[in-house]
Amino acid sequence: DAKTTQPPSMDCAEGRAANLPCNHSTISGNEYVYWYRQIHSQGPQYIIHGLKNNETNEMASLIITEDRKSSTLILPHATLRDTAVYYCIVRPPGSGNTGKLIFGQGTTLQVKP
Amino acid sequence: EPEVTQTPSHQVTQMGQEVILRCVPISNHLYFYWYRQILGQKVEFLVSFYNNEISEKSEIFDDQFSVERPDGSNFTLKIRSTKLEDSAMYFCATLGGNQVSAFFGQGTRLTVV
Repeated sequence: DAKTTQPPSMDCAEGRAANLPCNHSTISGNEYVYWYRQIHSQGPQYIIHGLKNNETNEMASLIITEDRKSSTLILPHATLRDTAVYYCIVRPPGSGNTGKLIFGQGTTLQVKP
Repeated sequence: EPEVTQTPSHQVTQMGQEVILRCVPISNHLYFYWYRQILGQKVEFLVSFYNNEISEKSEIFDDQFSVERPDGSNFTLKIRSTKLEDSAMYFCATLGGNQVSAFFGQGTRLTVV
C-alpha cells in the first residue's frame, strides 16, 4: 500500500488559507489521493480526491505535483470549525472507490482566532 | 443531506457480554463498512460487506466479530464476548454505487467495563 506522510500538527489563523501537505512518494500511476477530516472524534468526513489534475470543490482545493509524489490540501479561508484532524489517504491498489480506507495519524489543524 | 445513522450513540457493557451495534445506511447504498478508533489512536478498518457477504476483513475482525443485514436495511456489528480492549468508537460507513467515497456515521462509543 502506498504510504503517506503528513506533519503531525499545524496552526492557521482564522480567515487565512490553510495549506496541508502530504507526501506519497510510492504512489502508483492509477492510485487516487483522498482527503478526509475528523472533527473531534466524529465520523470521518470526505473532503476531496484527485488523480493527476488539480481539483476544487465547495470545501477545498487539491494540488497534486506533476510527479504525483506529493499533494497539498488548501482550505482557502479557514474558520474555527475547520479545526480537525486531516487525513491524506492513497487508495490500496486495485480497490477502486469501494475498497477499505487506511487512515494514518493525519495532521491536526488548529485554526486560531 | 443524507446521513448514516448509528445506534446507540454510547453503550456500556460488562466484559464477556454480547453487544450489537446498529447502522442505518443511506438509502440505495450497496457497500457497507465498519471501522473502529480506540481513544487517541488511528481509525482502523474492520470489515467491508457487499451483496450480503463479507468482501474483506482485517486481522482485528476475528471470530468474536460478525456482521449482517438481517432485514435488508440495518447493518449490524456483533461482538460475541466483549473484552476490555474492545472499548472504542465504532464507525459505520456506507457507499453508493455512483459515489466517489463513503459516508461515515457519527459512531457508537463502546465502553467495556
